[in-house]
Amino acid sequence: DQQVKQNSPSLSVQEGRISILNCDYTNSMFDYFLWYKKYPAEGPTFLISISSIKDKNEDGRFTVFLNKSAKHLSLHIVPSQPGDSAVYFCAGDSGGGADGLTFGKGTHLIIQP
Amino acid sequence: DVKVTQSSRYLVKRTGEKVFLECVQDMDHENMFWYRQDPGLGLRLIYFSYDVKMKEKGDIPEGYSVSREKKERFSLILESASTNQTSMYLCASSETGLETQYFGPGTRLLVL
Repeated sequence: DQQVKQNSPSLSVQEGRISILNCDYTNSMFDYFLWYKKYPAEGPTFLISISSIKDKNEDGRFTVFLNKSAKHLSLHIVPSQPGDSAVYFCAGDSGGGADGLTFGKGTHLIIQP
Repeated sequence: DVKVTQSSRYLVKRTGEKVFLECVQDMDHENMFWYRQDPGLGLRLIYFSYDVKMKEKGDIPEGYSVSREKKERFSLILESASTNQTSMYLCASSETGLETQYFGPGTRLLVL
């Protein structure tokens, strides 16, 4: 039972354009969502998060949108840069941080020059 | 800056060996976690701990155990390593009440 779904295993975007990564969830108890970025042979790095009481959170080039009724969130990266090429994981939390995150399978973002 | 370190970046072990993976965090975090990452499967939670000597099973605890004798250190133990435990192992920590977890660099374990 996959509670967090990232249906695109990979995404290719031209440098300078917008990258949109999507994530769907099924667990209604999730009240906090996080995006992590991971380079090969490194641990995931926290990117941005959003509480379920909000529908948008912005941090520089990164914006996360949450649509609770659709159980859908998306990460927008504008403009995309070569260093953004990485695997992006979406994660949901329902336990106030105490009992682990539930991750999606990840989307490999490739920024083309 | 939060720092989470893992004892080895790469490890090669034989089937049946007992394997210890160590994780240390320097931010006095109460919560610590062990995940494994496999291609096409994302990160899956093995065990977590919210306090010294406390441990809870995650989604895939079979074949693993953990130890948390000190607040800063969380060990993952493979009692008898098997080839299906070949994976990237990631340790993370977080503060109580906060959802953001900080990850170590990972240990890539190969079981032959």
